[in-house]
Amino acid sequence: GQNIDQPTEMTATEGAIVQINCTYQTSGFNGLFWYQQHAGEAPTFLSYNVLDGLEEKGRFSSFLSRSKGYSYLLLKELQMKDSASYLCAVINDYKLSFGAGTTVTVRA
Amino acid sequence: DGGITQSPKYLFRKEGQNVTLSCEQNLNHDAMYWYRQDPGQGLRLIYYSQIVNDFQKGDIAEGYSVSREKKESFPLTVTSAQKNPTAFYLCASSISLAGGPGGANVLTFGAGSRLTVL
Repeated sequence: GQNIDQPTEMTATEGAIVQINCTYQTSGFNGLFWYQQHAGEAPTFLSYNVLDGLEEKGRFSSFLSRSKGYSYLLLKELQMKDSASYLCAVINDYKLSFGAGTTVTVRA
Repeated sequence: DGGITQSPKYLFRKEGQNVTLSCEQNLNHDAMYWYRQDPGQGLRLIYYSQIVNDFQKGDIAEGYSVSREKKESFPLTVTSAQKNPTAFYLCASSISLAGGPGGANVLTFGAGSRLTVL
């Protein structure tokens, strides 16, 4: 089976840094995605990791450790528009399995 | 602009009625997917299709049906057999199946359809 765990909620202040952790136990692994989803909207792609290490894209970075079954998404210089749900998803063969998502609230 | 269009955005139906949700993409993607999203749970895969006239069950296919007669279209029917159909339904597409040959195939999602059964 697939088990993907993320914290349910996180709150941070505008301009701060927040790290969203994702741990996974899956029968196979072909890569890990992070998506952002604003309430009632479509998820949008943020990052993809298949090898261990850090991938940086502007204010967002994603890290992967395959041996630990662990990833994190780092959001820097938080802005109010970053208030959203962040979904961790693991590819196993053809299937993308999602965690329940972490709702991040950015306060002024 | 290329993208995925889902309709209707909101839908109310009585128990026992079948409902069809539309999904159209103009991205020229081969693979299409239907996911269901419930509060506090991750997206769960209902059906997916790799090519026209072919589709496979996902993790929660019971009570749902799909067709893939055209590359651009992948409608989902929520039948009366689905025990708890009230949910947010998301359609997605990718160049080819996620994790297939060629590596990461990013899913592009539609804006979703919210179905409420009264």
